[in-house]
Amino acid sequence: ETGVTQTPRHLVMGMTNKKSLKCEQHLGHNAMYWYKQSAKKPLELMFVYNFKEQTENNSVPSRFSPECPNSSHLFLHLHTLQPEDSALYLCASSPDRVETQYFGPGTRLLVL
Amino acid sequence: DAKTTQPTSMDCAEGRAANLPCNHSTISGNEYVYWYRQIHSQGPQYIIHGLKNNETNEMASLIITEDRKSSTLILPHATLRDTAVYYCIVRVLGNSGNTPLVFGKGTRLSVIA
Repeated sequence: ETGVTQTPRHLVMGMTNKKSLKCEQHLGHNAMYWYKQSAKKPLELMFVYNFKEQTENNSVPSRFSPECPNSSHLFLHLHTLQPEDSALYLCASSPDRVETQYFGPGTRLLVL
Repeated sequence: DAKTTQPTSMDCAEGRAANLPCNHSTISGNEYVYWYRQIHSQGPQYIIHGLKNNETNEMASLIITEDRKSSTLILPHATLRDTAVYYCIVRVLGNSGNTPLVFGKGTRLSVIA
């Protein structure tokens, strides 16, 4: 238990669906991250938020839309995804200046 | 570019020490060495990090060579639950803000009964 929770843990969606992934951290951290892990590939950083402001977007397609309403919550809104977007989506958080990141358990997404 | 080189896989007998090497020959003076592991289908778990001194915590020890071009993560008494992919990462820490973790392919450690 790292103090970072993600829901749902598993999600199956069609290409025309809209869904959202939720991440919540109970660590008092100010930075939150979304990563994508496809099969047999290294983790890829998608987005970084610091104090609710997006500080990094790693050329992620617009069908992925992040939202950070406060420092404890991070969402990833999904719209018209492709089958190749099927992956494990991981959320992480870290304190502001001390950057050790703590990961949630991930959401395993399958796009049909 | 993960900036580190690790063996693809290793085996370790249960109860024995697991020594996982990592080469980071281009490491800069302000880059730390971080270790994470990922058990199958779970999120990565932070293990330990260090700059130049050896470090130890309840999970592992980190030995960094004097020239800082390589390091070894040591799990003193490996158990079956330590079977995972272990990632060695170098990154800058500082007041200029967060720098991302760049994960490579890691070492797949199999602990065998």
